[in-house]
Amino acid sequence: DIRMTQSPASLSASLGETVNIECLASEDIYSDLAWYQQKPGKSPQLLIYNANSLQNGVPSRFSGSGSGTQYSLKINSLQSEDVATYFCQQYNNYPLTFGSGTKLEIK
Amino acid sequence: QVQLKESGPGLVQPSQTLSLTCTVSGFSLTSNSVSWVRQPPGKGLEWMGAIWSGGSTDYNSALKSRLSISRDTSKSQVFLKMNSLQTEDTAIYFCTRALQYYFDYWGQGVMVTVSS
Repeated sequence: DIRMTQSPASLSASLGETVNIECLASEDIYSDLAWYQQKPGKSPQLLIYNANSLQNGVPSRFSGSGSGTQYSLKINSLQSEDVATYFCQQYNNYPLTFGSGTKLEIK
Repeated sequence: QVQLKESGPGLVQPSQTLSLTCTVSGFSLTSNSVSWVRQPPGKGLEWMGAIWSGGSTDYNSALKSRLSISRDTSKSQVFLKMNSLQTEDTAIYFCTRALQYYFDYWGQGVMVTVSS
């Protein structure tokens, strides 16, 4: 199985700041990577697919980058509604696997 | 619009079988695939398996011996059956539409507790 290691596990940042969340795959996943946002008590929502493609309707302050085994999610101009847990997911190989999540809070 | 909704028992006894239904609308099961993903309380996400548009299935090897996914396209429903449930199977179970192996729409989830 491909292991997805996310960091940090939790993050506290101020409104308007830029934050970065990292995801490291245990082997090359060739940009077959998605990012999800899960607000408390809600279902996950797709933010990014193919490592850097923004899902329709997602604010442009979210962006994804990376290749090979290293990927990141960047949130510019942090807003209060961005408080959530963020997960990465690889779909290069079965079983499809997720990172353990990054909990983002406002400082 | 695209919607998925899970239904099933909230409580299952240990060693028993879990049966869940995902009723979809706004898309066709013969053109799209559906996956099941679960999330133990306060923990991360685990992909369980998928049924593809052609009707074939794939399962997480960790669950394969206990899990079955099927569908009724005439009713726009996807079914999950998992046997030999244990307390560690307590989780929120989501059905999702899978678009090229990532998930663009999710159901609200159903909480399943395994307890006697």
